[in-house]
Amino acid sequence: EVQLVESGGGLIQPGGSLRISCAASGLNVSSNYMTWVRQAPGRGLEWVSIIFSGGTTYYADSVKGRFTFSRDTSKNTLYLQMNSLRAEDTALYYCTRGRIYLDYWGQGTPVTVSS
Amino acid sequence: DIQMTQSPSSLSASVGDRVTITCRASQNIGNFLNWYQQKPGKAPKLLIYSASTLQTGVPSRFSGSGSGTDFALTVASLQREDIATYYCQQSHSTPRTFGQGTKMEIK
Repeated sequence: EVQLVESGGGLIQPGGSLRISCAASGLNVSSNYMTWVRQAPGRGLEWVSIIFSGGTTYYADSVKGRFTFSRDTSKNTLYLQMNSLRAEDTALYYCTRGRIYLDYWGQGTPVTVSS
Repeated sequence: DIQMTQSPSSLSASVGDRVTITCRASQNIGNFLNWYQQKPGKAPKLLIYSASTLQTGVPSRFSGSGSGTDFALTVASLQREDIATYYCQQSHSTPRTFGQGTKMEIK
């Protein structure tokens, strides 16, 4: 059974940094395309970033240059390093699996950017 | 970036009704179109991928159609458990953008 478990979210001041994690089981993160999707409170889904099985990453314009998507294959875990955080980054961050479609989702980890 | 526009933003229908949500892409995306269902407080769930392929376990009352720029999600006979927000998403290119969502309610 595939499970994706996000962690590391919390309250952070504007301009601060935070790293959130996604521990995967039932699938190998090094051979899958993995994606972060976020959802601001009361808003719709926003695609954030993808890591291809070969390691190439792409980002939404709204986070490009501030967020970094990485993985640790020995821990089968994904990371999203978020720097220079802004109030508009406040959201529930979901870890998902898929290249053409997103078929497995975690339950999300909340990030709140506020002073 | 490809823009995805859903309509309507919300709809109210009765149990048993046939309901359709549309999604329009700002450029040709072939059949790289997926539909997700999100119930309150839950993570989204994949319903349909590649425009018309039903994900395993999804009831057959859901169907998808379209190609190019215009797509539709149809529920043949609305059930109470279908109350949710529905999102389309293009997977033709990055960023893999979502539509703004359609909130479905029971009348």
